[in-house]
Amino acid sequence: NAGVMQNPRHLVRRRGQEARLRCSPMKGHSHVYWYRQLPEEGLKFMVYLQKENIIDESGMPKERFSAEFPKEGPSILRIQQVVRGDSAAYFCASSSGLERGGHEQFFGPGTRLTVL
Amino acid sequence: GIQVEQSPPDLILQEGANSTLRCNFSDSVNNLQWFHQNPWGQLINLFYIPSGTKQNGRLSATTVATERYSLLYISSSQTTDSGVYFCAVRKTGFQKLVFGTGTRLLVSP
Repeated sequence: NAGVMQNPRHLVRRRGQEARLRCSPMKGHSHVYWYRQLPEEGLKFMVYLQKENIIDESGMPKERFSAEFPKEGPSILRIQQVVRGDSAAYFCASSSGLERGGHEQFFGPGTRLTVL
Repeated sequence: GIQVEQSPPDLILQEGANSTLRCNFSDSVNNLQWFHQNPWGQLINLFYIPSGTKQNGRLSATTVATERYSLLYISSSQTTDSGVYFCAVRKTGFQKLVFGTGTRLLVSP
């Protein structure tokens, strides 16, 4: 009965390195969402994906950030050439999709990224 | 975009007290969820409540969609209730959740 899984839970990178965050949705869920929480703030939507498709990336920064959800394996949020302002908690959520009555989103434990 | 405001921003209670948290939103929604973010940062689903009233133990929630607000009631509060409470809404026609500003609750023994 696994929920949404994220790894790593904590990630430390130096400025200029790449960060890769992974998310495995709940069993039976094919819709994945990424949110970012800056220190002392609420969560902000970044991107919504279904298998092999990006549906809405209106919250993604224009540069350095990308996301994918391949046919097999977890969803990946990739941040290239990290800067100190990327330090945040990144949460993944999943749902079964509106077409299957899946209105509720379930969240993973988050990945806390620290950029030195 | 849709605006989501929560009140009060901060709340301090003695153990055993009751409280009401409010969430106002500026447009029609077809999804509203309440979350508790505990002191370790984990987000816990409390309620999926686009309309009506639900109860789960000491917690209950009511959403009046036509008047664009939701209320979260905490009764007989415990120190483990401390943390930040977020409401999040999904505007009709969209998939993403828009989070409110949060209510930070501290329950002291």
